[in-house]
Amino acid sequence: EPEVTQTPSHQVTQMGQEVILRCVPISNHLYFYWYRQILGQKVEFLVSFYNNEISEKSEIFDDQFSVERPDGSNFTLKIRSTKLEDSAMYFCAGGGDSYEQYFGPGTRLTVT
Amino acid sequence: GNSVTQMEGPVTLSEEAFLTINCTYTATGYPSLFWYVQYPGEGLQLLLKATKADDKGSNKGFEATYRKETTSFHLEKGSVQVSDSAVYFCALSGDSGGSNYKLTFGKGTLLTVNP
Repeated sequence: EPEVTQTPSHQVTQMGQEVILRCVPISNHLYFYWYRQILGQKVEFLVSFYNNEISEKSEIFDDQFSVERPDGSNFTLKIRSTKLEDSAMYFCAGGGDSYEQYFGPGTRLTVT
Repeated sequence: GNSVTQMEGPVTLSEEAFLTINCTYTATGYPSLFWYVQYPGEGLQLLLKATKADDKGSNKGFEATYRKETTSFHLEKGSVQVSDSAVYFCALSGDSGGSNYKLTFGKGTLLTVNP
């Protein structure tokens, strides 16, 4: 059964550094999302991506964040200059032409 | 905006006990409702869903009914097992289709089932 994969599983970075989180969605999915979960808090929507452009973003998704789908398979989230409060679990998700979303296992980002 | 309010945990039960996790929502229009489960060290997995009022979603012995009159989607299972120990998230998505499939989650409820 196809599944969403994410790399790395854990990323440790220093404040101010750039990080790129990678996701490989299921191949026939059309809609792509990033969510994050700060430890002990709820899962929050960051951004949705459809037809090679951002379709919606939350207030969290400021100018420090960007997303790309450079080669038709990978879907990346870049944080340009990380802050301590960016420490969280980041989940990639994808979906077809329905309400169901399939999540990856997540990348734990630790900013020190 | 949309919001989901979920029963605070943690919930600790003995094996074969009855489980209810309450979930209520606020949304415009006719959202779809979901329960996701997160096992230790893993990502979110869709457990069940309901896309319109009075629909009942079910999977692995879990059930939830979309109640528009009470804006609720409570999760139930008649007899829990140790393997059901996980965090359960109630979520909704908008009804406009396209990019509005984004999910709004509740805070999650940690369930621990003891043998």
